[in-house]
Amino acid sequence: EVQLVESGGGLVQPGGSLRLSCGASGFTSSGYWMHWVRQAPGKGLVWVARINGAGNDRSYAESVQGRLTISRDNAKNTVYLQMNNLRAEDTAVYYCARGNSGYGNFDYWGQGTLVTVSS
Amino acid sequence: QSALTQPASVSGSPGQSITISCTGTSSDVGGHNYVSWFQQHPGKAPNLMIYEVDNRPSGVSDRFSGSKSGNTASLTISGLQAEDEADYYCTSFTRSNTWVFGGGTKLTVL
Repeated sequence: EVQLVESGGGLVQPGGSLRLSCGASGFTSSGYWMHWVRQAPGKGLVWVARINGAGNDRSYAESVQGRLTISRDNAKNTVYLQMNNLRAEDTAVYYCARGNSGYGNFDYWGQGTLVTVSS
Repeated sequence: QSALTQPASVSGSPGQSITISCTGTSSDVGGHNYVSWFQQHPGKAPNLMIYEVDNRPSGVSDRFSGSKSGNTASLTISGLQAEDEADYYCTSFTRSNTWVFGGGTKLTVL
């Protein structure tokens, strides 16, 4: 059974940092693109970042470029999102999702982890 | 990249059909066939309902169908059921190798 489990969320002050993790099981994660998508409280979904199976091709939403970095460790079947210089508007539930093609098709999602940026 | 445009809400009675539109530009929806639709119940993760405009993943009811014309994609749900009440989001791959979501549509089953 395919499962994605996010962790690492919490309360952080503006300007602070946090690293989210997404553990994958039930499939060979190195064969898939992986994405991060976020959802602010009461708001819609927003795509954040993606990484290819080898970990050498990444892209980001303009709003997070330069502050958030996606990476992966295929030996650990884990994808990460390093979040630096956090702002109040980064407050959201962060989901990781599997892309079963290079063009999206987000077929499996984790349950999400909440990041709250507040002083 | 601006969000795709969806109606904020739609409603229908059990057994009826409804259609949710998703309007973008030639840089996203109109530029290829990589449009997906997701269903999200409150407090839950999104669930893929349609991919590549009109394909249903295994396990998704055939009451759900997708289409596209120009810069607008559509999700149609036929034979509405109470369990279909949820938020629905479209998303599209873009020319910039990124993805953009719609603002979401709340479906109410009367």
